[in-house]
Amino acid sequence: GENVEQHPSTLSVQEGDSAVIKCTYSDSASNYFPWYKQELGKRPQLIIDIRSNVGEKKDQRIAVTLNKTAKHFSLHITETQPEDSAVYFCAASINNAGNMLTFGGGTRLMVKP
Amino acid sequence: EAQVTQNPRYLITVTGKKLTVTCSQNMNHEYMSWYRQDPGLGLRQIYYSMNVEVTDKGDVPEGYKVSRKEKRNFPLILESPSPNQTSLYFCASSPAKGTKEETQYFGPGTRLLVL
Repeated sequence: GENVEQHPSTLSVQEGDSAVIKCTYSDSASNYFPWYKQELGKRPQLIIDIRSNVGEKKDQRIAVTLNKTAKHFSLHITETQPEDSAVYFCAASINNAGNMLTFGGGTRLMVKP
Repeated sequence: EAQVTQNPRYLITVTGKKLTVTCSQNMNHEYMSWYRQDPGLGLRQIYYSMNVEVTDKGDVPEGYKVSRKEKRNFPLILESPSPNQTSLYFCASSPAKGTKEETQYFGPGTRLLVL
């Protein structure tokens, strides 16, 4: 089955700096890659996603890049703010949809004011 | 309001005492799933259901049962809970493949402690 690895497990940045979280996946058939943000005590919520026919997608301060050849994808957050502090999860699916997801282990991002 | 609900939100029980965590969604989603979240292990899928009366094992199904008798409900059953099932549980739902918003919506979570 699919295996998704996520790095780093913790990341600390200064407010205003950029943060990058990387994930690798094992199944070359995977074609949908969402990112979820989980604030303390809350449920995971989708922040951005990308499909395998696209190399990059951007939404304001967040962007995701996908390298199908290398089987890795990354989340980029620019101009980080304290409210970006949370746990971020990447996931992969072979179903080109939001179901059948395999999640990475999560990255705890801390943005220091 | 579109939502996924879970009950109870918090539960303390003892080893061997059967329990059920309910999950309900009002979005007419075909797909529903249960995950457990443990520190350092991320979200691991327990069971999922592609539609009514269709369920399948995820990555960590041992010790759990599910049923999907109605489209909106997907209860998680622990027949004989053990301490290693102490965890944070999330139910999630998503529409079928090919629909416009193919994303997974999570419930608020159920924190379970098995003594």
